[in-house]
Amino acid sequence: AQSVTQPDIHITVSEGASLELRCNYSYGATPYLFWYVQSPGQGLQLLLKYFSGDTLVQGIKGFEAEFKRSQSSFNLRKPSVHWSDAAEYFCAVGARNTGTASKLTFGTGTRLQVTL
Amino acid sequence: DAGVTQSPTHLIKTRGQQVTLRCSPKSGHDTVSWYQQALGQGPQFIFQYYEEEERQRGNFPDRFSGHQFPNYSSELNVNALLLGDSALYLCASRDRGNYGYTFGSGTRLTVV
Repeated sequence: AQSVTQPDIHITVSEGASLELRCNYSYGATPYLFWYVQSPGQGLQLLLKYFSGDTLVQGIKGFEAEFKRSQSSFNLRKPSVHWSDAAEYFCAVGARNTGTASKLTFGTGTRLQVTL
Repeated sequence: DAGVTQSPTHLIKTRGQQVTLRCSPKSGHDTVSWYQQALGQGPQFIFQYYEEEERQRGNFPDRFSGHQFPNYSSELNVNALLLGDSALYLCASRDRGNYGYTFGSGTRLTVV
């Protein structure tokens, strides 16, 4: 069974500071990996995804994530945080080669607060 | 290009009632999944529909059922509502040839 752990429930950073959100996954092979962002009362917006190839993935809004197979991690980073980045961030894993069955398993999320 | 559209946006129901939520997938998408997101939690997979059939189901009771129509739109039905069913219900769609999921803004269901 696949699972995702986001160890940090809540993170506070100053505007302009760098950010790293942690994500560890459990899956029997190389999974599909995703980061989504959710503003209060809203749906999920895809920031970036990893399927294969280059382990450093670039996404929208200046975010990037690095897939590390040896650590079963897919941490999200941003060099300089903006106040508008305050939101809930979810890491998710999806199974490969499952035909039409391809559910996403989400972590419990990390709430990012940005101080001015 | 419209994304995933869900209706209604908010809903209040009484315990024991039944509810139907609706989802129109993004244009060109043929697979629809439903997720339940309780307050302060990550989304939990309910089920997925493709070619009008349920293809995979998460750990939800039979009170949760769904349907997909020939135009790929989908409904989620929940019978005998419990207080614990209060949550944000998210619909996600994708093109079967592309693993990327697009999520709707959700339906906020409150059971009183």
